[in-house]
Amino acid sequence: TQLLEQSPQFLSIQEGENLTVYCNSSSVFSSLQWYRQEPGEGPVLLVTVVTGGEVKKLKRLTFQFGDARKDSSLHITAAQPGDTGLYLCAGEGYNFNKFYFGSGTKLNVKP
Amino acid sequence: EAQVTQNPRYLITVTGKKLTVTCSQNMNHEYMSWYRQDPGLGLRQIYYSMNVEVTDKGDVPEGYKVSRKEKRNFPLILESPSPNQTSLYFCASSFQSSYNSPLHFGNGTRLTVT
Repeated sequence: TQLLEQSPQFLSIQEGENLTVYCNSSSVFSSLQWYRQEPGEGPVLLVTVVTGGEVKKLKRLTFQFGDARKDSSLHITAAQPGDTGLYLCAGEGYNFNKFYFGSGTKLNVKP
Repeated sequence: EAQVTQNPRYLITVTGKKLTVTCSQNMNHEYMSWYRQDPGLGLRQIYYSMNVEVTDKGDVPEGYKVSRKEKRNFPLILESPSPNQTSLYFCASSFQSSYNSPLHFGNGTRLTVT
């Protein structure tokens, strides 16, 4: 059983569409990070959210941390083929020793 | 260039033949960690190290060993590999295991055990 559940697992959309990826847990985290991974490479950090209710924007990407610090969402506006990849959320436990990763959302944006 | 370097990138071996996957970082990070990535399961932590000579088990440590004799290196050792250890392995490091200290990942080692 995953500590962090991501949905959807797969998403195939047309260029220009909007989408939202969800990351949910019953556990509380000290912080939550979003990574993007491309084939043949390791995950690369997109953003870290720390405060409950926090919203961060990175160009067309909007990240939100739930008020209770148990869940997060990633919204992409006007998706582009360059957004294609595997999106992973990772929660950091309060003992600061462990990161718990979701199973990932594989996004394919068709031109 | 700041990076985490893993070697080898690809490895095919047979059951029971000891192997080591090396990991080195040039960012003077205290925290290092190993993960395995399997379809549908995401990244699962194998072992982590808070600093030199300090290591601890993650969620799936069985069948693996690590050592941290120097700050920059954190090798992963499989004493007697088995087919269920076929996976994609990632090494990661960060300045400290606290919030706002992102993990920097290597490019992965794809291991196949036959």
